[in-house]
Amino acid sequence: GNSVTQMEGPVTLSEEAFLTINCTYTATGYPSLFWYVQYPGEGLQLLLKATKADDKGSNKGFEATYRKETTSFHLEKGSVQVSDSAVYFCALSPKSGTYKYIFGTGTRLKVLA
Amino acid sequence: SAVISQKPSRDICQRGTSLTIQCQVDSQVTMMFWYRQQPGQSLTLIATANQGSEATYESGFVIDKFPISRPNLTFSTLTVSNMSPEDSSIYLCSVDLPENTEAFFGQGTRLTVV
Repeated sequence: GNSVTQMEGPVTLSEEAFLTINCTYTATGYPSLFWYVQYPGEGLQLLLKATKADDKGSNKGFEATYRKETTSFHLEKGSVQVSDSAVYFCALSPKSGTYKYIFGTGTRLKVLA
Repeated sequence: SAVISQKPSRDICQRGTSLTIQCQVDSQVTMMFWYRQQPGQSLTLIATANQGSEATYESGFVIDKFPISRPNLTFSTLTVSNMSPEDSSIYLCSVDLPENTEAFFGQGTRLTVV
């Protein structure tokens, strides 16, 4: 079946450190892949997405590349800020046109000043 | 994009009672989704609600426990019935828009059952 495996947290970094949050998936066919972010007390917001192999999604300095050969979609940021402290969810949508997402467990990131 | 309002944002309820969560969208949408996020865990899809038809429930979720209404294209409710402490979770409403390729989420309803 379809599944998403995400790096466990919490992850604690100093400001300006490099961030990687690992995400791998299992899916039949060609899913779309997403990173969502949940700031304290708020709902989920789309951070970035990729809909086909080798696509790179990017937003707010975050990047992730859809790697079909390794079934991965790792999230990276070169220099984190305190304001990036949040929970990050990797997700897949197994079929184009449907939004029955399958989510990873979420990774809590805490950035210290 | 879509703006999704959920009410209540949080509640503390007695076991055995029921709570109805409302989800209002600022535009007409075909499909609305209800998710549950248990403490420290991922989001799990409860059901998909289409206007004018019965909701479609995922494995492990049943209509008697989580009845859903979808009276029009901008509104849906999820009821958590006969609650127990195991129902303590965040419940999120989500929608898709035809012109977008991602889903949008409400801010969630944090439910604590005591």
